[in-house]
Amino acid sequence: QKEVEQDPGPLSVPEGAIVSLNCTYSNSAFQYFMWYRQYSRKGPELLMYTYSSGNKEDGRFTAQVDKSSKYISLFIRDSQPSDSATYLCAMSSTNSGNTPLVFGKGTRLSVIA
Amino acid sequence: NAGVMQNPRHLVRRRGQEARLRCSPMKGHSHVYWYRQLPEEGLKFMVYLQKENIIDESGMPKERFSAEFPKEGPSILRIQQVVRGDSAAYFCASSPTGDTQYFGPGTRLTVL
Repeated sequence: QKEVEQDPGPLSVPEGAIVSLNCTYSNSAFQYFMWYRQYSRKGPELLMYTYSSGNKEDGRFTAQVDKSSKYISLFIRDSQPSDSATYLCAMSSTNSGNTPLVFGKGTRLSVIA
Repeated sequence: NAGVMQNPRHLVRRRGQEARLRCSPMKGHSHVYWYRQLPEEGLKFMVYLQKENIIDESGMPKERFSAEFPKEGPSILRIQQVVRGDSAAYFCASSPTGDTQYFGPGTRLTVL
């Protein structure tokens, strides 16, 4: 079993839809969770960073963490064509940088105008 | 404040040649990480460095790959005697304290 599982998609939604992206993980030591957005042939861009169970909201984006189920989600409200990208979840057991980030494979999202 | 800079953006090498990838972290960032991304794969950690020190190289192949982050200048990822399987996108990330990592645009290495 991989440490981090993420459905690669592709996921195609109409403009304005609510998008739900998910990752599951097997290592209970993971305590810090991130979502990155990666446009084609670009570097990953940090969207959300959270370390506690529950929800964290930033504009149209909401990150949700359920440590008991080892499940994290990213919700995008009122999706726009500019949200079309690959979304990567990442996690770590510490925030000191001494343990590397472990990434999911990424979910490719297309928002159709 | 400029972001993480990587160069070259694209690098083509023939089998057996050497590849040198450079990374300049964001100003004030002393933590540098290198990742590799193969097609249809997620980012895989390679090495973590602080100034003049390799902190964690557990993701680096044992042969042909090396990394440094000198006191002055950019971090360098060096691949000797490249093979076709080394073709990938190589990303550098930097961090001020080791928590949040900010990525550069990557270097796309193609080995002919």
